[in-house]
Amino acid sequence: EPEVTQTPSHQVTQMGQEVILRCVPISNHLYFYWYRQILGQKVEFLVSFYNNEISEKSEIFDDQFSVERPDGSNFTLKIRSTKLEDSAMYFCASSVRTSGSTGEQFFGPGTRLTVL
Amino acid sequence: TQLLEQSPQFLSIQEGENLTVYCNSSSVFSSLQWYRQEPGEGPVLLVTVVTGGEVKKLKRLTFQFGDARKDSSLHITAAQPGDTGLYLCAGASRGSQGNLIFGKGTKLSVKP
Repeated sequence: EPEVTQTPSHQVTQMGQEVILRCVPISNHLYFYWYRQILGQKVEFLVSFYNNEISEKSEIFDDQFSVERPDGSNFTLKIRSTKLEDSAMYFCASSVRTSGSTGEQFFGPGTRLTVL
Repeated sequence: TQLLEQSPQFLSIQEGENLTVYCNSSSVFSSLQWYRQEPGEGPVLLVTVVTGGEVKKLKRLTFQFGDARKDSSLHITAAQPGDTGLYLCAGASRGSQGNLIFGKGTKLSVKP
């Protein structure tokens, strides 16, 4: 069964460093998303991406964040200068259609980011 | 700000019991998805409900979307230890480009 994959599973970085989190969405999906989950808290939307551009983003997704689909399969989230409060699980998701059109989102296993 | 409130937050029951968890909001959603999440893993989609009043069954799990599309429930019949986990509801607003709003979840523990 097709699934969303994410690498690395765990990333440890120093505050101020740049990190890139990688995702391979399900191959026939057109919409891609990033969410984060701080330990013990709820899953929060960061950004949605379609047709090589951001279609929606949350207040969390500030200028320190960027997303890219560098080739036909990968979808990346970059944090330019990490802060302690960026420590969280980051989940990638993909869907055939947007959730506003009842497009079901399938999540990857997550990348645990620890900022020291 | 749209919010989804889930209740109860924690639920501990014996194997064989029935249970219901709730997901409530003051906002209308175009669809609502239920996920199950294991510690350290990503949410796994269980079901999507779209139409007000809709009922979907997945083996011993029954999902219902409220008539006004503001609330949903998950009922588990004859719970088993394998049902243990965190159950999340997530709603999508009409016209949303993917912004799923998640509840905090119900942590279910089923004891043998």
